[in-house]
This record gives sequence, C-alpha cells and structure tokens, in this order.
Amino acid sequence: DTGVSQNPRHKITKRGQNVTFRCDPISEHNRLYWYRQTLGQGPEFLTYFQNEAQLEKSRLLSDRFSAERPKGSFSTLEIQRTEQGDSAMYLCASSPFTGTVSYEQYFGPGTRLTVT
Amino acid sequence: DQQVKQNSPSLSVQEGRISILNCDYTNSMFDYFLWYKKYPAEGPTFLISISSIKDKNEDGRFTVFLNKSAKHLSLHIVPSQPGDSAVYFCAATPTIVFGNEKLTFGTGTRLTIIP
Repeated sequence: DTGVSQNPRHKITKRGQNVTFRCDPISEHNRLYWYRQTLGQGPEFLTYFQNEAQLEKSRLLSDRFSAERPKGSFSTLEIQRTEQGDSAMYLCASSPFTGTVSYEQYFGPGTRLTVT
Repeated sequence: DQQVKQNSPSLSVQEGRISILNCDYTNSMFDYFLWYKKYPAEGPTFLISISSIKDKNEDGRFTVFLNKSAKHLSLHIVPSQPGDSAVYFCAATPTIVFGNEKLTFGTGTRLTIIP
C-alpha cells in the first residue's frame, strides 16, 4: 500500500525563480489537498480538489500560486516569482470521497522549499 | 486569528505515565476534530478523531475527550512510550457545509517521553 508521495522532497531556489511541486495521492482517493507549514506553526490550508475540480482556494494562495490536477490523479503546485516569504514546507494530503465525506486526510512527507 | 489553539508548546512525560495534550477552539462551526502526530522530516500522521455527537473516542492507548460547552478537547496517551515522542497537532473542521472540509490546525505540542 503506497501512501501519498511528493517530489521533490527539498528545493532550494533563488528569489524570482519559478518552482513546481508534484503530489501523487493514494490511488483510490479522489480528494487532494495542499497545505503550507512554516516554522512553529501548524499546516495552513491552501487549496483542494475533488477529482480534477478545484473546489476552494485560500486567500493565502496569491496570484503567484497555481495548482492543477489535470486528470484527477496527481497534482502540481507552481509558485511563480518566488519570494523569501514562500520558504516553507508544502504538504499534500488526500482522502476518499464515496458519496459520504471522510474527514481524515492522509499526508505526504512534504516538499521543503528554501528561497534564497 | 487562531481558531484552534494548543497553548502548551512542549510537554515532557515519564515513560509509562499518562500524557495529556490539550486543545481549545473558538469557531462554533467546528464539529469534527482530529489529532495528528508528526515526526521530523515526515508529514503528519492521522492518529484519532472524534465527532461532536460523542464526548469520547478510544483507540488502543489513545483516547480523545471532547467538551463542547468549553470548546476543549484533550488527547490522553496511556501508557506513554518512547516512540510517542513527536509533535502532536490538533485539527478541526465543520461538517455541516459540503465542500468545506479543509482542516484548521493548532500550532502543535512537542511531546517528549523520558525513558
């Protein structure tokens, strides 16, 4: 049984560069979530998908951030023109939805972004 | 505005004793609560959850208690084991509105079990 996987695990980039992260959810899970965690804080919700539809976006997700889930399987999170404030751990989670909602979300190991 | 609060950043407990981690929330819409455990360099791992229709849920060594009137929940671990040393996050979500199932997390409590 494979869990949620995220790539890369670590990314160091220079300010102003674009970065893209990938998340592969648990295969039978059709809901996929992105969170961001900074030092000393809990994860903060960014956005989520049900299949390929993006259902909600946090106001934390500025215009420089875009997320996609083109075929309802893996998802990508892109940050354009990175800023030092974007340095954080980016977490992906998935959960099943089979007509009733499951509130337990299963997290991947995260991608740690450092913007220099 | 911190809607889920974990006021103890850290807690140390002797092995074999009970660990009690606390969490308070302010949003009355929250009616489903979860605890996650996080080891360094890993994502949070789901531990146990409770719906607001219950006041207690138990799973092995882990029990979560919910006091709705006080907007307070606690996680009890007994007996505590060295492998329980981790950061514990409390999370909450409203269930009444479909499509609003994002989790709101507290800031975490670092639990250290002393052998």
